[in-house]
Amino acid sequence: EAGVAQSPRYKIIEKRQSVAFWCNPISGHATLYWYQQILGQGPKLLIQFQNNGVVDDSQLPKDRFSAERLKGVDSTLKIQPAKLEDSAVYLCASRTTPFGLIAQYFGPGTRLTVL
Amino acid sequence: DQQVKQNSPSLSVQEGRISILNCDYTNSMFDYFLWYKKYPAEGPTFLISISSIKDKNEDGRFTVFLNKSAKHLSLHIVPSQPGDSAVYFCAARQGGADGLTFGKGTHLIIQP
Repeated sequence: EAGVAQSPRYKIIEKRQSVAFWCNPISGHATLYWYQQILGQGPKLLIQFQNNGVVDDSQLPKDRFSAERLKGVDSTLKIQPAKLEDSAVYLCASRTTPFGLIAQYFGPGTRLTVL
Repeated sequence: DQQVKQNSPSLSVQEGRISILNCDYTNSMFDYFLWYKKYPAEGPTFLISISSIKDKNEDGRFTVFLNKSAKHLSLHIVPSQPGDSAVYFCAARQGGADGLTFGKGTHLIIQP
């Protein structure tokens, strides 16, 4: 079974530029999450999708961050404009149905550096 | 306000001995606790979980213990192997919500 795929793996941009990350979850996983991991910290939830609907985006900085999951499979996370403090690893995770096993499975992440 | 705390940034253990990683939490609404292992440049890998209604769960070399009254859980690895060297994250899920709250992690180093 293929794991969670993410691209790109690394991205370097200047502040005020925009950037987008892509995630393809494990096949059949209805729930998808985006986490932000700043150096020295644990991952922090940004947004959760159930199929193509948003379940929780309470910690997403909506003035600059947006995310979508149009067909209930792949997802993109966008930052526009980026700030220095957005430098982090952005992790995508997926899980089976809400009533399935609780473990979330993570992709390798995208390391973003904002200069 | 850190709801999940891992107070030891690093831990060094000799190969073959027991590794004990600790985690404290403050939120009584957490209903599941999970442990993840992370190697550099990789995403976290799920290890083991425990429901808040249990006090122990075991899977091979890994055992998680939960003390609800103390709001404390621990991960025991026996015996420790060189491949166990990684950062270990404690995570918790609040009942009714699904996103995980993570601690800052503990870097486990297994020495030969």
